[in-house]
Amino acid sequence: GDSVTQMEGPVTLSEEAFLTINCTYTATGYPSLFWYVQYPGEGLQLLLKATKADDKGSNKGFEATYRKETTSFHLEKGSVQVSDSAVYFCALSVMTGANSKLTFGKGITLSVRP
Amino acid sequence: GAGVSQSPRYKVAKRGQDVALRCDPISGHVSLFWYQQALGQGPEFLTYFQNEAQLDKSGLPSDRFFAERPEGSVSTLKIQRTQQEDSAVYLCASRTEREGRYYNEQFFGPGTRLTVL
Repeated sequence: GDSVTQMEGPVTLSEEAFLTINCTYTATGYPSLFWYVQYPGEGLQLLLKATKADDKGSNKGFEATYRKETTSFHLEKGSVQVSDSAVYFCALSVMTGANSKLTFGKGITLSVRP
Repeated sequence: GAGVSQSPRYKVAKRGQDVALRCDPISGHVSLFWYQQALGQGPEFLTYFQNEAQLDKSGLPSDRFFAERPEGSVSTLKIQRTQQEDSAVYLCASRTEREGRYYNEQFFGPGTRLTVL
């Protein structure tokens, strides 16, 4: 079946530090890949996505590149801010007809200190 | 515009009680998904609707879980005879379709936190 593996957390960084959150996947078909973010007290929000190999998704200074050869979709940001403190989920979906159910990783909590 | 809404936001039930959780998707969104998120875990798929048709219920953990979307908009997830292991956040998501094409971005509601005592 499909699965997503995220690096273990939590992660604590100082403001302006470089961030990498690792994500690898296994999929039975050709997946689309996503990063979702959950800020404290809020619902899941799509952060970025990529739908085919070598695509780079980007948003709010975050980037992730779809690497088919290593089945990875690592999230990076060059300079984190306190406001980036949240839980980050890597996810995939393989369209089966119109069904695009998401398979999520466990999530990782990022805390950024001033 | 309005996003996905869910009610109640919090629900406490005694073991053995039945509960009903409501989801109002974004207006016009054809597809609706339910997920269960246990504490410290990622969301797990429960079921999928396209309009009023429940096309995938492979993630429902037992026959105590039942979902419906009778008019193709609002959906209700019902859990009968709740157990402590049902304690989780239940998330609803909806997805649009344009010109016959399904977009794979899902928009999530805030979730209902269910605690079974």
